[in-house]
Amino acid sequence: SAVISQKPSRDICQRGTSLTIQCQVDSQVTMMFWYRQQPGQSLTLIATANQGSEATYESGFVIDKFPISRPNLTFSTLTVSNMSPEDSSIYLCSAKRGLDEQYFGPGTRLTVT
Amino acid sequence: QQQVKQSPQSLIVQKGGISIINCAYENTAFDYFPWYQQFPGKGPALLIAIRPDVSEKKEGRFTISFNKSAKQFSLHIMDSQPGDSATYFCAASISPGNTPLVFGKGTRLSVIA
Repeated sequence: SAVISQKPSRDICQRGTSLTIQCQVDSQVTMMFWYRQQPGQSLTLIATANQGSEATYESGFVIDKFPISRPNLTFSTLTVSNMSPEDSSIYLCSAKRGLDEQYFGPGTRLTVT
Repeated sequence: QQQVKQSPQSLIVQKGGISIINCAYENTAFDYFPWYQQFPGKGPALLIAIRPDVSEKKEGRFTISFNKSAKQFSLHIMDSQPGDSATYFCAASISPGNTPLVFGKGTRLSVIA
């Protein structure tokens, strides 16, 4: 399995500000993803973080709102920009190792006031 | 369009009983089917996965049954324990490849003594 850490684990932010979430994997991985999960709900894919190129965003998510960086094969960041209360959610980093196995970090619980 | 349909939404099982969660998929290109277990405040953890070349896979008390013709797969938890109480997600993807997982909506399992 892959060990994935995220920082911060939780944060309370004011409307209009931005938060950058960091994701660190314990070894090199091919694919990294960012998901959003509302409490009690399923996971919604935000984007695929591509190493060395721009992220690939899912429908309903845009780069201006959720800029993503992936400077190397073990690290990625997701920024939630110009936050509103609707952005309150759990943000999960995920990495694919091997053929198909996909692992998740512990999540970042974001509350926007 | 939901590509993976999961049922039931919630499940209550007596300790020692069998918990059964079902999923159905639509995309016949899917060929990797994992199950994830998520405890409150934690990220999803990969529990067990199956590919279409087998009809069943067992790991300890957890078994996946797969029916390719019906496009269905299920998770069986034998001898269910209170510690199994969690939310379970089925998922599917195309293997191998760079496509991310598509998740079901989740099943909240409660195992009562």
